[in-house]
Amino acid sequence: GAGVSQSPSNKVTEKGKDVELRCDPISGHTALYWYRQRLGQGLEFLIYFQGNSAPDKSGLPSDRFSAERTGESVSTLTIQRTQQEDSAVYLCASSPMGQGTDTQYFGPGTRLTVL
Amino acid sequence: AQSVTQLDSQVPVFEEAPVELRCNYSSSVSVYLFWYVQYPNQGLQLLLKYLSGSTLVKGINGFEAEFNKSQTSFHLRKPSVHISDTAEYFCAVTKGNAGNMLTFGGGTRLMVKP
Repeated sequence: GAGVSQSPSNKVTEKGKDVELRCDPISGHTALYWYRQRLGQGLEFLIYFQGNSAPDKSGLPSDRFSAERTGESVSTLTIQRTQQEDSAVYLCASSPMGQGTDTQYFGPGTRLTVL
Repeated sequence: AQSVTQLDSQVPVFEEAPVELRCNYSSSVSVYLFWYVQYPNQGLQLLLKYLSGSTLVKGINGFEAEFNKSQTSFHLRKPSVHISDTAEYFCAVTKGNAGNMLTFGGGTRLMVKP
């Protein structure tokens, strides 16, 4: 079946502009995660959605970052008033049940460049 | 909170040589352990994971890893590497209860030379 998809694959924006990144998880997966990978660094957790529960926003670096998910479907990550330090690859992952034992399936990522 | 340390940022190795990529973790609770691989210009994919039971875990592409609770390590090994194994390898943990994000190490770039 189809894997996790993300769009756009690349986004170049000017400092101060807002951007919206999209993730389509694997159908039937109840859990969805957003991670950020800055150049030369590991992945850092941003936010987690599980079914209809309140999202875990503990990884969001500032109030400029927000995310929504429609039911158990598409998610959008919004970054307002982008800064140069927001430049990174943003990865989305989904998993069947959101359990710690689950394999997370990753999308190809969106490379964000803030000029 | 848990953390993951990958001791080597880069590991150069010749083709057909053995390789070990080191991973240590710290956590106050039980964790599950994962290795993911990121090939050039591709997304992350699971190599293997340790949940419970036998401490030696076999994964795809001939890789294996051994969970050592006393040393809090989960090193990845392959007895003979190929050029196609050139990639970034990430060790990660989740907490031993429901619904948790992965905590990743900084990654190790494996560079296989002919």
